[in-house]
Amino acid sequence: EAGVAQSPRYKIIEKRQSVAFWCNPISGHATLYWYQQILGQGPKLLIQFQNNGVVDDSQLPKDRFSAERLKGVDSTLKIQPAKLEDSAVYLCASSPNSATKYFGPGTRLTVT
Amino acid sequence: GEDVEQSLFLSVREGDSSVINCTYTDSSSTYLYWYKQEPGAGLQLLTYIFSNMDMKQDQRLTVLLNKKDKHLSLRIADTQTGDSAIYFCAESPTGTASKLTFGTGTRLQVTL
Repeated sequence: EAGVAQSPRYKIIEKRQSVAFWCNPISGHATLYWYQQILGQGPKLLIQFQNNGVVDDSQLPKDRFSAERLKGVDSTLKIQPAKLEDSAVYLCASSPNSATKYFGPGTRLTVT
Repeated sequence: GEDVEQSLFLSVREGDSSVINCTYTDSSSTYLYWYKQEPGAGLQLLTYIFSNMDMKQDQRLTVLLNKKDKHLSLRIADTQTGDSAIYFCAESPTGTASKLTFGTGTRLQVTL
């Protein structure tokens, strides 16, 4: 079974620029999550989708972050404009509506 | 809100047992998880335990849950150098398609 795919793996941008990350979940997984993991911390949930609907985006900084999952499969997370404190690893995870949640390798973002 | 705490660092000698501890505050936690993160990699699900269990064993891994004290531990028998990583404890209130709250992670260092 193929795992959760994410791209790019690494991205370096200057502050105030825009960036987008892509996630392809495991086939058939209805639930998709985006997490932010700042260095030295545990991952923090940004947004959760159930199929193509948003279940929880309470911790998403909506003034600069946006995410979509238009067809209920792939998802993109965008930051516009980026700030220095957005430097982190952005992890995508998917779940088949069970206890198990599978994570992708993450995208490491550096904002200079 | 939910809070999950772990000690930051643990050093053990190869062949010894490692015990990584975690405490959580959410009494409605239904599933508790252990994830492993190697340098530059995403999170790998090691094991999870349902809250009505007090122990789960899977090869070299033993999970103990003290629900009264809200304490979770992960024991790794015969620790190997390949076990060196950061271990995250996480909890989920309902388990099914719901978000994970992570601890800050415990860095396990295995020495020869």
